[in-house]
Amino acid sequence: DIVMTQSPDSLAVSLGERATINCKSSQSVLSSSNNKNYLAWHQQKPGQPPKLLIYWASTRDSGVPDRFSGSGSGTDFTLTISNLQAEDVAVYYCQHYYSAPYTFGQGTKLEIQ
Amino acid sequence: QVQLQESGPGLVKPSETLSLTCSVSGASISPYYWNWIRQPPGKGLEWIGFIYYDGSAIYNPSLRSRLTISVDTSKNQFSLKLTSVTAADTAVYYCARGSAAHGGYSDYWGQGTLVTVSS
Repeated sequence: DIVMTQSPDSLAVSLGERATINCKSSQSVLSSSNNKNYLAWHQQKPGQPPKLLIYWASTRDSGVPDRFSGSGSGTDFTLTISNLQAEDVAVYYCQHYYSAPYTFGQGTKLEIQ
Repeated sequence: QVQLQESGPGLVKPSETLSLTCSVSGASISPYYWNWIRQPPGKGLEWIGFIYYDGSAIYNPSLRSRLTISVDTSKNQFSLKLTSVTAADTAVYYCARGSAAHGGYSDYWGQGTLVTVSS
């Protein structure tokens, strides 16, 4: 199984500032056949199901604000939230879908400082 | 608007079978993949498995010996059965639609249903 490790486990950021969440996979999730990274980011607010934010490592899902951005390739990925808003308080998960089982990172809890 | 709704018993006794159904509205079961994901209370997400509309499925190896996922296209539903449950199977169970681009990540999720394994 591919192990996904996120860092940090939690972080507190001031409103309007930038939050950065990292995700590392135990093996590459970059496909040589299509040059795509099989990596998604999900946001889970308290009491709610997860919501897809980003797929293919950097493509925002429909309706996701452009202050959410994903980057990285191979084994190292980053979710960046610019101009942090109060509604961004949530747990964020990375997930690979390179090969089953499609494992998730342990989650990063984002709070307002 | 795609909507998914999980249904099934909220309490299951140890060693018995956990059965859940996901009803899909606003989209046809075909030609998508349909995922089950679970989340123990206060913990992270675990991918359980998925099924294609044609009935082919891939399971998490950690659950494969106890797991069956099935699909009923006539009812626009898919289901999960997990046998010989223990307290470790207590979790919120989510059904979700695999995206058209790749079934392994989900673009629409149900609200989730808490299943507690206890005598």
